[in-house]
Amino acid sequence: SAVISQKPSRDICQRGTSLTIQCQVDSQVTMMFWYRQQPGQSLTLIATANQGSEATYESGFVIDKFPISRPNLTFSTLTVSNMSPEDSSIYLCSMKLTVNTEAFFGQGTRLTVV
Amino acid sequence: AQTVTQSQPEMSVQEAETVTLSCTYDTSENNYYLFWYKQPPSRQMILVIRQEAYKQQNATENRFSVNFQKAAKSFSLKISDSQLGDTAMYFCAFISDRGSTLGRLYFGRGTQLTVWP
Repeated sequence: SAVISQKPSRDICQRGTSLTIQCQVDSQVTMMFWYRQQPGQSLTLIATANQGSEATYESGFVIDKFPISRPNLTFSTLTVSNMSPEDSSIYLCSMKLTVNTEAFFGQGTRLTVV
Repeated sequence: AQTVTQSQPEMSVQEAETVTLSCTYDTSENNYYLFWYKQPPSRQMILVIRQEAYKQQNATENRFSVNFQKAAKSFSLKISDSQLGDTAMYFCAFISDRGSTLGRLYFGRGTQLTVWP
């Protein structure tokens, strides 16, 4: 397994601003993902963070709204841009050591947009 | 497309009793993996148990066991001797080991389990 550190754990932001969430893993991993969990809902995959190239986004998510960086195999960021109250959710980063293994998750970021 | 269905939004059980959470899934693939995760109020997603589809034997982890029925595409979780700390949201998840969806997890909508003293 690996240890994932996600920051911040929570934030309250004004609409129209942006928030960057960081995810640091204590070992080099192949696959990193970003999920959104809206209140009372399941996890929805936003994108796969690719090392050294553009992230792969799921349907309904776009780079302009959720830019993702992954400069190396241990670190990734997700930015929630031009926020609105509808962006209020928990955001989780996740990693997998190999394709067919379970995913490990960060502690999550609870975002409230006012 | 892969889908995961959890038909029980909420379940409750008394401490020390046994409870079973249901999960069904739909896939056309033969090789895949199934997981149960728990998410307590702390929000941390914690792996409870995993099952490889090519294994006929049901996985067990201490008080947690699964009933994996591949033909029926069913993957239920049994929690024995329930403890107060088992109170959490439980998510069933599926992962394929091939194809365009390689490596991504598909989650069910979750079952909120409450253990009463």
